[in-house]
Amino acid sequence: NAGVTQTPKFRILKIGQSMTLQCTQDMNHNYMYWYRQDPGMGLKLIYYSVGAGITDKGEVPNGYNVSRSTTEDFPLRLELAAPSQTSVYFCASISGVGNEKLFFGSGTQLSVL
Amino acid sequence: RKEVEQDPGPFNVPEGATVAFNCTYSNSASQSFFWYRQDCRKEPKLLMSVYSSGNEDGRFTAQLNRASQYISLLIRDSKLSDSATYLCVVNGMDSSYKLIFGSGTRLLVRP
Repeated sequence: NAGVTQTPKFRILKIGQSMTLQCTQDMNHNYMYWYRQDPGMGLKLIYYSVGAGITDKGEVPNGYNVSRSTTEDFPLRLELAAPSQTSVYFCASISGVGNEKLFFGSGTQLSVL
Repeated sequence: RKEVEQDPGPFNVPEGATVAFNCTYSNSASQSFFWYRQDCRKEPKLLMSVYSSGNEDGRFTAQLNRASQYISLLIRDSKLSDSATYLCVVNGMDSSYKLIFGSGTRLLVRP
């Protein structure tokens, strides 16, 4: 199993550009998450999904969109990139059975200039 | 009030010391509690789940205090390799699986 795969690892965007951060998991997990982490801060929940076709807002959803058309994929869309979206983005998943750990992707370092 | 709060530290302790961190949460209905460790902004790794009765894993002990709405992490006999940021995770108000991170407590263990 590859676990949780995030692409790209690094990206530089210009203000106003759009992009999609890809996240795929091969563990058949029901629950998937997108977090962002600013320097010196903890992780902030952007969006999460409890299963295919179901998504919900986290703590900081503004400026982002998500979709969950399959169990495996949970892409994060930035429509009009702003400097405030410069951050490290982590995708994660959990199977949803019992008290267990989040599986994380390796992160995407995004800079908006 | 933030849903999950931690003292950012840093806690600077000598090797062999015992150190404890607390994490307070605002949702009295929260059911899921975890401690994660993060090194140099890499992806966080699960350190321990926190159970109602408390649990221990080697030098690490986690406790849950529902009445005062906090969880704690105790590290005994600190090692240099324990230097990291420790993040607590609690499920949020809307869902058992809306997992909210605290801002993290930084630990520095010195020789």
